[in-house]
Amino acid sequence: DIQMTQSPSSLSASVGDTVTITCQASQDISNNLNWFQQKPGNAPDLLIYDASNLETGVPSRFSGSGSGTHFTFTILSLLPEDFATYYCQQYGDLPLTFGGGTKVAIK
Amino acid sequence: QVQLQESGPGLVKPSETLSLTCTVSGGSIRSYFWSWIRQPPGKGLEWIGYIHHTEGPRYNPSLKSRVTISIDTSKNQFSLRLSSVTAADTALYYCVSPSMDVWGQGTTVTVSS
Repeated sequence: DIQMTQSPSSLSASVGDTVTITCQASQDISNNLNWFQQKPGNAPDLLIYDASNLETGVPSRFSGSGSGTHFTFTILSLLPEDFATYYCQQYGDLPLTFGGGTKVAIK
Repeated sequence: QVQLQESGPGLVKPSETLSLTCTVSGGSIRSYFWSWIRQPPGKGLEWIGYIHHTEGPRYNPSLKSRVTISIDTSKNQFSLRLSSVTAADTALYYCVSPSMDVWGQGTTVTVSS
């Protein structure tokens, strides 16, 4: 199985801050990576696919980059509605696997 | 716009079989691979497996011996069966579209006697 190591597992930030989350794959997955946002009580929402492509309707303050084994996810200028848990997920090989999640909390 | 809806019992006894169905509306199930994903309370996401209407299912090896995913194209549904359940199988179960862009609302399954 491809292990997805996501860091940090949690962080505290203020409205207006820039936040960066990283995801490291245990082997090369090319750009086969999704990023999701999950708010309490809701299903995950796809924000970014193919490592860097913004899903339709997702604000441009969200971005993703990387390929191979190292990926980053950035939120520019945090808004109150961005406080949530974020997950990376690889689809380079089966089984599909997720990172452990990053909880973004209000400082 | 594709929508997904899970259905099935919310309580299953230990050692019995969990059975869930996902109904797909607004689109055809005759495309790509449709997934089941679960999330234990307070924990992360685990892919259970997926199915294609002609290529069949693929399973997570961690659950492979207990999982069966099937598809009914006439009803635009796909289903999950997980046998010999234990408390560790208590989770929110989601059905998910091929591109992971559409998720059902999720259904909570509790394993308890």
